[in-house]
Amino acid sequence: DTGVSQDPRHKITKRGQNVTFRCDPISEHNRLYWYRQTLGQGPEFLTYFQNEAQLEKSRLLSDRFSAERPKGSFSTLEIQRTEQGDSAMYLCASSLSGGQGADTQYFGPGTRLTVL
Amino acid sequence: GQQLNQSPQSMFIQEGEDVSMNCTSSSIFNTWLWYKQDPGEGPVLLIALYKAGELTSNGRLTAQFGITRKDSFLNISASIPSDVGIYFCAGQVDNFNKFYFGSGTKLNVKP
Repeated sequence: DTGVSQDPRHKITKRGQNVTFRCDPISEHNRLYWYRQTLGQGPEFLTYFQNEAQLEKSRLLSDRFSAERPKGSFSTLEIQRTEQGDSAMYLCASSLSGGQGADTQYFGPGTRLTVL
Repeated sequence: GQQLNQSPQSMFIQEGEDVSMNCTSSSIFNTWLWYKQDPGEGPVLLIALYKAGELTSNGRLTAQFGITRKDSFLNISASIPSDVGIYFCAGQVDNFNKFYFGSGTKLNVKP
């Protein structure tokens, strides 16, 4: 399977705990995006990387959130001191920049986070 | 941020009927994408549009990039039960920038 993969698919945690999610993009894609989706809404942009550089962060990304893409391949999203309001689906997408048709984003299956 | 208005919010149709949904934005977009999402899964890309006026088909699906570059339409012909799901539009203002998503159109198809 050469699509975007995410791990874990589901995570249940207690308030105050830290969680980390992983995303593996399509192998030749240099851009990687993180989105958050709550029930009944479309995905909301959190941050994106081109190769290993984090180029933009949303205001939604509080200080408790940090994302990395150390070697320009997989990425991790960490949430520290989780709150109930962090409960959502966290989606990763990847794309290949350059030329028309570039930056068409392909999504992974998501990680469903539930904070108790 | 950009405002994307997607309508209708939900639709209940009979199998075999045609479906139409649309998205409008407050800004000019360079790219429109249409996705379908099933419960508990990530969005799956259906159609990508890159030029104003572009009309693109994917099987029974047809999407258009509005001439004003502020809207897009998705049509589904001869709907079938597996078309059930939530359809999202997404627009991009500048190339190589983030996408803004609509709030989705929930499609229900009665067999």
